[in-house]
Amino acid sequence: TQTVSQSDAHVTVFEGDSVELRCNYSYGGSIYLSWYIQHHGRGLQFLLKYYSGNPVVQGVNGFEAEFSKSDSSFHLRKASVHWSDSAVYFCAAKNNYAQGLTFGLGTRVSVFP
Amino acid sequence: GALVYQYPRRTICKSGTSMRMECQAVGFQATSVAWYRQSPQKTFELIALSTVNSAIKYEQNFTQEKFPISHPNLSFSSMTVLNAYLEDRGLYLCGAKGLGAETLYFGSGTRLTVL
Repeated sequence: TQTVSQSDAHVTVFEGDSVELRCNYSYGGSIYLSWYIQHHGRGLQFLLKYYSGNPVVQGVNGFEAEFSKSDSSFHLRKASVHWSDSAVYFCAAKNNYAQGLTFGLGTRVSVFP
Repeated sequence: GALVYQYPRRTICKSGTSMRMECQAVGFQATSVAWYRQSPQKTFELIALSTVNSAIKYEQNFTQEKFPISHPNLSFSSMTVLNAYLEDRGLYLCGAKGLGAETLYFGSGTRLTVL
């Protein structure tokens, strides 16, 4: 079974702090990884993706993620969070055999002033 | 840029009735449309993947008889929830992508409440 694990259900940070959200996957072969953000009651907004090349990818609003094949990870980071970054973040993965993306359970980020 | 509009945003239906939701891609050709459901306190489950000029592929636990999908062209898709019951409530999302692409761009979702 192909799975995507997000170990932290909820992360609390203060505005200006850095944050790292963890994502691990259990796929074999070539893998496509992405992060999405869901603000309260809204749909999913695409943040960034990795398929090949530079393992560190840049996304919107200062987010970046780093792919690690040895750790089977694709952690998301931001150096300085803003209150508007409060949302639920979903890691998603797909390999060549899967129809669609498989999502993790999400990590809720609460940013306090 | 790539935008996906989904409507209605919210809908309420009586148990046993049906409701239809629609998805429109703007700025790109939606060769494939994936329909997902986010049930309360859960993550996103893939219902089906629809590709223009190909058969719609449903995931396990989801059927065409329950969730019929139409994908008539490169900008529009719709899905109906037939005979909705309490377990069908949740946020339904359509995600669209272009030919050869992997990135899905999602609409804002349709939140279904079943009474």
